[in-house]
Amino acid sequence: EDKVVQSPLSLVVHEGDTVTLNCSYEVTNFRSLLWYKQEKKAPTFLFMLTSSGIEKKSGRLSSILDKKELFSILNITATQTGDSAVYLCAPYRDYKLSFGAGTTVTVRA
Amino acid sequence: DADVTQTPRNRITKTGKRIMLECSQTKGHDRMYWYRQDPGLGLRLIYYSFDVKDINKGEISDGYSVSRQAQAKFSLSLESAIPNQTALYFCATEGPSYEQYFGPGTRLTVT
Repeated sequence: EDKVVQSPLSLVVHEGDTVTLNCSYEVTNFRSLLWYKQEKKAPTFLFMLTSSGIEKKSGRLSSILDKKELFSILNITATQTGDSAVYLCAPYRDYKLSFGAGTTVTVRA
Repeated sequence: DADVTQTPRNRITKTGKRIMLECSQTKGHDRMYWYRQDPGLGLRLIYYSFDVKDINKGEISDGYSVSRQAQAKFSLSLESAIPNQTALYFCATEGPSYEQYFGPGTRLTVT
């Protein structure tokens, strides 16, 4: 079974802060790593990373993958209350995603 | 209209009952997936299907079965529900770039 560990498990920040979420995995030879945001409903797709070292950005969110050291980071800058959610990472291999337990982010006004 | 729909959205059933959860999609994707989510755990794969003739077990398939009636429809059945199958169930489809899109989920409670 592929092992995916996300840290921290949860964190509380204030609006405007920057957060860094970590995803480490014991999965080799995977095609890509995906990040999802879950707000008390279905996970919604954020990023897909396929190459090591190339940062992907979408507004205030950015993510990078290190295939050699087996981790990925998701950064959220200038956080807003709407960023409150569980963030999930999942390496993709053999047509399957292996999800971590997620990091719960709470942004206080 | 949502691209991936699930019915029912909530269900309470008794131990030993058979129950079916249904998933439909309008995305035209061939690959479809069923996951369950429990508090403190990530999503875990139950079954997945590449097309109507290709169905595969995931990591936690025991106690579940599936049916792929058409490209757009993928159903999950609990043959004899038990309380530890109480969970949030998600259906997902997979696009050509291997990103997965999730339905709204079914909250199932087995008493």
